[in-house]
Amino acid sequence: SAVISQKPSRDICQRGTSLTIQCQVDSQVTMMFWYRQQPGQSLTLIATANQGSEATYESGFVIDKFPISRPNLTFSTLTVSNMSPEDSSIYLCSVDPRYNEQFFGPGTRLTVL
Amino acid sequence: AQTVTQSQPEMSVQEAETVTLSCTYDTSESDYYLFWYKQPPSRQMILVIRQEAYKQQNATENRFSVNFQKAAKSFSLKISDSQLGDAAMYFCAYGRGGGADGLTFGKGTHLIIQP
Repeated sequence: SAVISQKPSRDICQRGTSLTIQCQVDSQVTMMFWYRQQPGQSLTLIATANQGSEATYESGFVIDKFPISRPNLTFSTLTVSNMSPEDSSIYLCSVDPRYNEQFFGPGTRLTVL
Repeated sequence: AQTVTQSQPEMSVQEAETVTLSCTYDTSESDYYLFWYKQPPSRQMILVIRQEAYKQQNATENRFSVNFQKAAKSFSLKISDSQLGDAAMYFCAYGRGGGADGLTFGKGTHLIIQP
């Protein structure tokens, strides 16, 4: 498996501001994934981050709103920009170190006021 | 597009009894994997069990086993000897083979364990 950490674990932000979430893995991985889990809902894939290339976004998610960086094989960031209360969610990163077996970080609980 | 359906929003079982959670999926792919994840109130997603579509044998992990019916596109999870620590949200998920794609999740089933 893989040990994944996320920072911050939770935050409360004002609308109109931005928050950057960090995801750190204890081993090198090719792909990293970012998901959103809205209150009481399931997980929805936001984007896939491959080191050295632009992230690939799912339908309904755009780079201007959720810019992603992937500077190396163990680290990625997701920024939630110009936040509104509708962005209040848990944001999770995951990795697939052994192909076809994803492991998740502990999540970042974001509340936007 | 792939879809995953969990038709049981909530299930309840007595401690030490057996419970089965249902999941169906739809895909046109031949190479794929199916997963059950557990999410307790701590919100950590924990991989419970994994099934490769090309394997006919059902996956088993201790008290957890699956009934994989490929033709019917059904993937149910059986929990035997239920324990209080099994109480959580359970999500069924689909992933395309190759490891380069994210997962598609069902809406989840809230499992309650009655002492």
